Amino acid sequence: QKEVEQDPGPLSVPEGAIVSLNCTYSNSAFQYFMWYRQYSRKGPELLMYTYSSGNKEDGRFTAQVDKSSKYISLFIRDSQPSDSATYLCAMSANGGTSYGKLTFGQGTILTVHP
Amino acid sequence: SAVISQKPSRDICQRGTSLTIQCQVDSQVTMMFWYRQQPGQSLTLIATANQGSEATYESGFVIDKFPISRPNLTFSTLTVSNMSPEDSSIYLCSVRAMGSEAFFGQGTRLTVV
Repeated sequence: QKEVEQDPGPLSVPEGAIVSLNCTYSNSAFQYFMWYRQYSRKGPELLMYTYSSGNKEDGRFTAQVDKSSKYISLFIRDSQPSDSATYLCAMSANGGTSYGKLTFGQGTILTVHP
Repeated sequence: SAVISQKPSRDICQRGTSLTIQCQVDSQVTMMFWYRQQPGQSLTLIATANQGSEATYESGFVIDKFPISRPNLTFSTLTVSNMSPEDSSIYLCSVRAMGSEAFFGQGTRLTVV
């Protein structure tokens, strides 16, 4: 079993839809949670960063962390064709030998069609 | 946020040769990492680049194949040695400050023929 599981999709939605992306994890030591967007032939771009549990909103993006369920989500409201990319969840522990290292999900390929 | 420059952005190399990838950050950072992203796959951590000492490698990666240097807090290199077609991947430099988010360079797209 992988430490981080993410549905690879692909996911195809019409413009304006609400998109929900999810990851589950097994390592209870994970405290830092990030979502990245990666366009083809580019490096990952940080979208959202959350420490521990709770919600965080930034424009059309909302990140949720439920540590009790070991489940994180990214919601995209009013999706646009420019949101078409691969979305990666990533997480890391708070200390010890794993501190700073990110463990990634498999990535979800999202296509928003006009 | 940190600005990360990686060189080269892409290269096509002959099998058996080596390629050195450079990573330059615009500010001093605590942690620097090297990741690999194989075609159609997610990111896998190769190693943590430690300033002034040997890098810390993850399981499945060894220093002879992926030697890493980090002479100061803003610069690191990753060498892919004795390359084979299986080494064709995107190699990414990442930086992170204590208790902060991680940022990535644009990556080096390597093709081994």
